[in-house]
Amino acid sequence: KQEVTQIPAALSVPEGENLVLNCSFTDSAIYNLQWFRQDPGKGLTSLLLIQSSQREQTSGRLNASLDKSSGRSTLYIAASQPGDSATYLCAVMKTSYDKVIFGPGTSLSVIP
Amino acid sequence: GAVVSQHPSWVICKSGTSVKIECRSLDFQATTMFWYRQFPKQSLMLMATSNEGSKATYEQGVEKDKFLINHASLTLSTLTVTSAHPEDSSFYICSARNELGRASLSSYNEQFFGPGTRLTVL
Repeated sequence: KQEVTQIPAALSVPEGENLVLNCSFTDSAIYNLQWFRQDPGKGLTSLLLIQSSQREQTSGRLNASLDKSSGRSTLYIAASQPGDSATYLCAVMKTSYDKVIFGPGTSLSVIP
Repeated sequence: GAVVSQHPSWVICKSGTSVKIECRSLDFQATTMFWYRQFPKQSLMLMATSNEGSKATYEQGVEKDKFLINHASLTLSTLTVTSAHPEDSSFYICSARNELGRASLSSYNEQFFGPGTRLTVL
């Protein structure tokens, strides 16, 4: 059974810092891995999606890497801003027809 | 890109009543939609998989007679919370897998999530 964990559970950093969020999954046989952002009381915003054949994806200040063999992914946020404050969720799919399994999330607070 | 809508975005109801939540895929067709539930300060947990034209598949511990799912068309799935109680208060999010339609090829088979419905049962 696939399990997804995220470390740390919560993170508070001063504005401008670079930071790394970690995601681990127990079954390396995945179809893709996705990072989402969720603001309080809101839905999900897809940030980056990495297919199983890819090693990383970049969008603006965000960079996500995937190491399937070790069951790990990292989300790197450069030059953090207060507007980055949110919960970041990591999620994996086993096949293209399967459900999405979410991690518990990392709550990020960027202090001005 | 592909868009999924949910209606209503929030609903407050009295204990014992039933509430229906709609999930629609706009601009693409989805034979499979998924319903998730998120309690405060927790992550999303899959409740059931909704299959167009057939019965939904429920996750362990989810009561199928309480959470009725109907997937009557390729663009619409509904979740009805029957005889709702305060412990059913939660954030319900659906997702739809892009299979056909005008969405870009790069998003084929990608899942797209709705904005969620916040249910409060008094």
